[in-house]
Amino acid sequence: GESVGLHLPTLSVQEGDNSIINCAYSNSASDYFIWYKQESGKGPQFIIDIRSNMDKRQGQRVTVLLNKTVKHLSLQIAATQPGDSAVYFCAENWGEYGNKLVFGAGTILRVKS
Amino acid sequence: EAGVVQSPRYKIIEKKQPVAFWCNPISGHNTLYWYRQNLGQGPELLIRYENEEAVDDSQLPKDRFSAERLKGVDSTLKIQPAELGDSAVYLCASSEYGTSGRDEQYFGPGTRLTVT
Repeated sequence: GESVGLHLPTLSVQEGDNSIINCAYSNSASDYFIWYKQESGKGPQFIIDIRSNMDKRQGQRVTVLLNKTVKHLSLQIAATQPGDSAVYFCAENWGEYGNKLVFGAGTILRVKS
Repeated sequence: EAGVVQSPRYKIIEKKQPVAFWCNPISGHNTLYWYRQNLGQGPELLIRYENEEAVDDSQLPKDRFSAERLKGVDSTLKIQPAELGDSAVYLCASSEYGTSGRDEQYFGPGTRLTVT
């Protein structure tokens, strides 16, 4: 079956640097993508989303880029802070199944002070 | 605004025993989801409710898992009997519009189940 996957399981960055977390997806019918942050002992928390008719979307310190040609999604975090340390998941919405999210395995982000 | 509430937060049981999880979604959210999250993996959808109706339960192992959402608000997920492989975090989420739009899902803190 088709699924979402992540290239890097663990990313370590220095505080203040920018972070880039990558994700590959395989369902060409996915029309909506979401990045979630999950801290230890908590449920996933919405960060930012992007629809398939967009290439880029910016939020507060975060930017999501979508490249439909190569089916690639990335999350950029500017000026990474210790509080950004968490597991990050990308998820794709299988529009043909309604609001059904399919999550990738996750990337651990560690911020070094 | 209160978030999604789940209980218990932790549960340890022996295999073959039954277990139940409870979820109270955000007020006004008509769509409720149950996910299972294995260690080191992303959540996987078990069942989705639109009000009282289970509209997607294709991933629910129906031989041992059951769920209900009476009155379209709170929901319970039950496993009977539990197996060692059921050890995971069970997450509940809710959203306002469900299939009518790509709205945000809000997750609860989850119930960590350990089957020994």
